[in-house]
Amino acid sequence: DTEVTQTPKHLVMGMTNKKSLKCEQHMGHRAMYWYKQKAKKPPELMFVYSYEKLSINESVPSRFSPECPNSSLLNLHLHALQPEDSALYLCASSQASWEIDTQYFGPGTRLTVL
Amino acid sequence: GQNIDQPTEMTATEGAIVQINCTYQTSGFNGLFWYQQHAGEAPTFLSYNVLDGLEEKGRFSSFLSRSKGYSYLLLKELQMKDSASYLCAVRDSNYQLIWGAGTKLIIKP
Repeated sequence: DTEVTQTPKHLVMGMTNKKSLKCEQHMGHRAMYWYKQKAKKPPELMFVYSYEKLSINESVPSRFSPECPNSSLLNLHLHALQPEDSALYLCASSQASWEIDTQYFGPGTRLTVL
Repeated sequence: GQNIDQPTEMTATEGAIVQINCTYQTSGFNGLFWYQQHAGEAPTFLSYNVLDGLEEKGRFSSFLSRSKGYSYLLLKELQMKDSASYLCAVRDSNYQLIWGAGTKLIIKP
């Protein structure tokens, strides 16, 4: 089973709203990732959690706040977003291995900021 | 700097063969991945190369030459459902994935 699930599939929010994106995997993976993807562009890495600790934060604005409650769950809390933050937000997971360490992606959340 | 180059767009005919090239210049090399991404969907893993040579998986094959910083993805017996973007990604010396911009493949009947 290589399934990563994400909720919601679509989200529309105003610039003053607070919302959260959720990601879950049950593959026993110990690394989880948040990516942002704009149309016709490759995914841009935002955050990496390894063994439930934040290991990489790619200079993401503080209006994005990640959280890893346990090894299966990853959240992304959103607050005071800007219209340019509208994008597809992808969650991925991997074994956190020094070897192949393939990342498996969830279906994404399509976010629109009005 | 780190750089991965792929053609922006390619067109091929149903039933034919197409080769999508990827050249890379990265700080270190710890493997190269190919992903397929249909419009509006998540990337799905296709193949992984870390040693030189050809890896075959059904209709898809991927080749790597580390000395040339070069890989290709070969798709045979093309089907309409193969219309998608194909992303090349290299894991660098920090074990981070560096992504190419992707190649949009259009299949015509």
